[in-house]
Amino acid sequence: ETGVTQSPTHLIKTRGQQVTLRCSSQSGHNTVSWYQQALGQGPQFIFQYYREEENGRGNFPPRFSGLQFPNYSSELNVNALELDDSALYLCASSLGLGSSTGELFFGEGSRLTVL
Amino acid sequence: GESVGLHLPTLSVQEGDNSIINCAYSNSASDYFIWYKQESGKGPQFIIDIRSNMDKRQGQRVTVLLNKTVKHLSLQIAATQPGDSAVYFCAENKFKGASYDKVIFGPGTSLSVIP
Repeated sequence: ETGVTQSPTHLIKTRGQQVTLRCSSQSGHNTVSWYQQALGQGPQFIFQYYREEENGRGNFPPRFSGLQFPNYSSELNVNALELDDSALYLCASSLGLGSSTGELFFGEGSRLTVL
Repeated sequence: GESVGLHLPTLSVQEGDNSIINCAYSNSASDYFIWYKQESGKGPQFIIDIRSNMDKRQGQRVTVLLNKTVKHLSLQIAATQPGDSAVYFCAENKFKGASYDKVIFGPGTSLSVIP
C-alpha cells in the first residue's frame, strides 16, 4: 500500500456534467501529480502541484483544473465532460525536493465513465 | 516531442525463466528512468530506477540496463513468477527547479507468466 487514497473509486457521469476527484497524499509528501489513463494505454500527465501551486501541466484543455490544499491533499476538476474523458484518473504523491528520484506513489485511481 | 515507448506490447514467459522488457526513449535530457508495474485494478507501483549517469542497476530479482548511445532501457526479471504478471511501464523524469518535472510513461508491455 502506498498510503495514497483516492475517491470515489468509480463514478458515472453524462456529457456536459462536471466532476471532482479527490486525493489524499502520503504523509510527508508535498507534491501531487494527476494522470489520465485510458484503457490499454500508459498514464498521461495532466498536471502537478507543489506546495499548493501548479508546477507543470500536460497537454490537457483548461476544463481540467486542480487544487492542492495546505495538508497537500488535492482535487482534480473536469468541466463539460466529454465521452473521451472516460478513463482511470490516477493521483500520485512524491517528496519533491526531498526525493532523490522523484519517485511517484500512486493511488488506485478513480474510474470515470462518461455516457 | 518527448516520448517513451516500448518495443513489444505483450510478452509471455514460462514460470522460472528470465523476462526481458525493452523500452526506447527520445529525451536525452532525462535525469532518471524508472520502471513501474501495474497489476489489474491497481495504480502503477515503482520497481526500480536508474540515473542517467549509470548503465546498470540491480534490485531484488530485477536489473535495469540503460544504453544512452541508442536510447534504450530494459528491465530484466530473473526467475519470473506468476505474481510478476502485470503491465510494465518505462518512464522518464528530470529535475526542474524545486521539484521534478512530469514523469512521462510509455504505452506499457503486458507480461504473462505461464505456469
